[in-house]
Amino acid sequence: SAVISQKPSRDICQRGTSLTIQCQVDSQVTMMFWYRQQPGQSLTLIATANQGSEATYESGFVIDKFPISRPNLTFSTLTVSNMSPEDSSIYLCSVVRDRAYEQYFGPGTRLTVT
Amino acid sequence: RKEVEQDPGPFNVPEGATVAFNCTYSNSASQSFFWYRQDCRKEPKLLMSVYSSGNEDGRFTAQLNRASQYISLLIRDSKLSDSATYLCVVNVIGGYQKVTFGIGTKLQVIP
Repeated sequence: SAVISQKPSRDICQRGTSLTIQCQVDSQVTMMFWYRQQPGQSLTLIATANQGSEATYESGFVIDKFPISRPNLTFSTLTVSNMSPEDSSIYLCSVVRDRAYEQYFGPGTRLTVT
Repeated sequence: RKEVEQDPGPFNVPEGATVAFNCTYSNSASQSFFWYRQDCRKEPKLLMSVYSSGNEDGRFTAQLNRASQYISLLIRDSKLSDSATYLCVVNVIGGYQKVTFGIGTKLQVIP
């Protein structure tokens, strides 16, 4: 498995502002992902964070709204920009270490936008 | 049709019972399959991978039926601590990996 930490664990933000979430892994990993889980819903993949290049976004998610950085193989950030109440959700990072494609998740960041 | 479908439940079962969940998927190119467990207000945790030959881990058995495009999870001798939401995950792996989570099936084991 992998030990993954996320900061902050929770935040309450005003609409129109931006929040950057950090994801740190205890060792180098091949793939890192960012997910959103809205209340009562399952996980929705936002994007794959690619080391050294632009993230790959899923349909419905764009770089201007969710810029992602991945400067190395153990760290990534997701920014939620120009927030609205609809962005209130739990944001989770996950990693894949090998070809088994088993994912391990960080503890999540609970975001509330007022 | 949703890419991955699960009965959201809840399934309320007594301690010691056997319970089974199914998950159907629509993409025949899907290549890897997993069951995750998610406790309330926690992150999902990998329960087990699902292999073509089926696999067992203690009280948990996972099966894959490619012809009918479903996977199953069987829990024997249910414990109170098994109460959680069980998420089915399906991967299509190629030049670009596509991961799809089901909505999850909620299990409540009752004393």
